[in-house]
Amino acid sequence: AQKVTQAQTEISVVEKEDVTLDCVYETRDTTYYLFWYKQPPSGELVFLIRRNSFDEQNEISGRYSWNFQKSTSSFNFTITASQVVDSAVYFCALSSHNAGNMLTFGGGTRLMVKP
Amino acid sequence: DGGITQSPKYLFRKEGQNVTLSCEQNLNHDAMYWYRQDPGQGLRLIYYSQIVNDFQKGDIAEGYSVSREKKESFPLTVTSAQKNPTAFYLCASRTGTSLDEQFFGPGTRLTVL
Repeated sequence: AQKVTQAQTEISVVEKEDVTLDCVYETRDTTYYLFWYKQPPSGELVFLIRRNSFDEQNEISGRYSWNFQKSTSSFNFTITASQVVDSAVYFCALSSHNAGNMLTFGGGTRLMVKP
Repeated sequence: DGGITQSPKYLFRKEGQNVTLSCEQNLNHDAMYWYRQDPGQGLRLIYYSQIVNDFQKGDIAEGYSVSREKKESFPLTVTSAQKNPTAFYLCASRTGTSLDEQFFGPGTRLTVL
């Protein structure tokens, strides 16, 4: 069985602050993918990033960065200089061959960025 | 424009009635999925289909049914057997490549009166 845990249910920051969303995963597979999705108030999930288990390089995309550490089974997401438009629910998810390639989602973290 | 459409956006149903949620994609994706999201919670898989005319139960299939007669379409029927159907329903699709990301539709919010 695989599992994704997002321990932070809600985070509130003031605009321009940096914020890190935590994601811890469990899987017995050696080959797997990790994902982050954003769910704005409209409800649709927007894909942000995919990372495979063999690539531990951190990634930066504009104000977004991701820190993948296999040693701690974590895939954390940092938003630098947060903006009000970043307010959303963010989901971390895991997919692996032995779990039938199904996506397992964490419970989500609601981020509120105040002006 | 390629994408996934779900209709309607809001749906109200009387208790005891069946209702069908539409999901259409023009991305030429092989696999399609239905998820349920309850307030403040993550997504749970209801049903999925990896190919036309074939589908599999997910984690919470009881009280739901699906069909996959066309590649582009994967409708979900919420039956009267579903005890607590009020929720937000999301449809997703993915290419045939096994670990690619899933793309999601805008969702349907179902309320049972």
